[in-house]
Amino acid sequence: SYDLTQPLSVSVALGQTASITCGADNVRSRNVHWYQQKPGQAPMLVIYRDKNRPSGIPERFSGSNSGNTATLIITGAQAGDEADYYCQMWDTSGVVFGGGTKLTVL
Amino acid sequence: EVQLVESGGGLVQLGGSLRLSCAASGFTFSSYWMTWVRQAPGKGLEWVANIKPDGGDKFYVDSVKGRFTISRDNTKNALYLQMNALTAEDTAVYFCARCLWWEPFDFWGQGTLVAVSS
Repeated sequence: SYDLTQPLSVSVALGQTASITCGADNVRSRNVHWYQQKPGQAPMLVIYRDKNRPSGIPERFSGSNSGNTATLIITGAQAGDEADYYCQMWDTSGVVFGGGTKLTVL
Repeated sequence: EVQLVESGGGLVQLGGSLRLSCAASGFTFSSYWMTWVRQAPGKGLEWVANIKPDGGDKFYVDSVKGRFTISRDNTKNALYLQMNALTAEDTAVYFCARCLWWEPFDFWGQGTLVAVSS
């Protein structure tokens, strides 16, 4: 089954751009979804099928998927974006989540 | 409004059993795959099990195969997870979520805590 590799932590200055990566062999051949989770809350979908935003998700959230890396991009990060972020995909054996990345907004 | 509400969590002894429930409302429950995802304290998300809309196909992560059983009752809009032979590694918050096949989990419940004690 796939292993999705995420950095443990990413820091970004307020108003700057944060990139959170999700690595796997040939991940571009799969749809990758991204979730935001704040402490004590359930995960929330922020990007689906690599680059699409659900209704209600701000435009500053975007995504890409190329080669062996999918990327969640937060342009103009705000204090409220500080959270854990998880990538996810489906595999023939079920569902795979990345290990999660803690985003800190400085 | 889509709602998923988990219940049935609690403190259970090592080797014991527990049955979780997830009550769904605000959507056509019988049209969706349903999933259990868990999160151990301070850890990441781990997929546990999926069940097809008609309940005919079920999939499990290797670590729970033979111990956990996912089921659903489309007449009651309810999802279940029967957990047997519980170990300390099963201690986690358990979330239910809905999806379509190979699509994202677009709605999640708030979770129910399962704590396995020795």
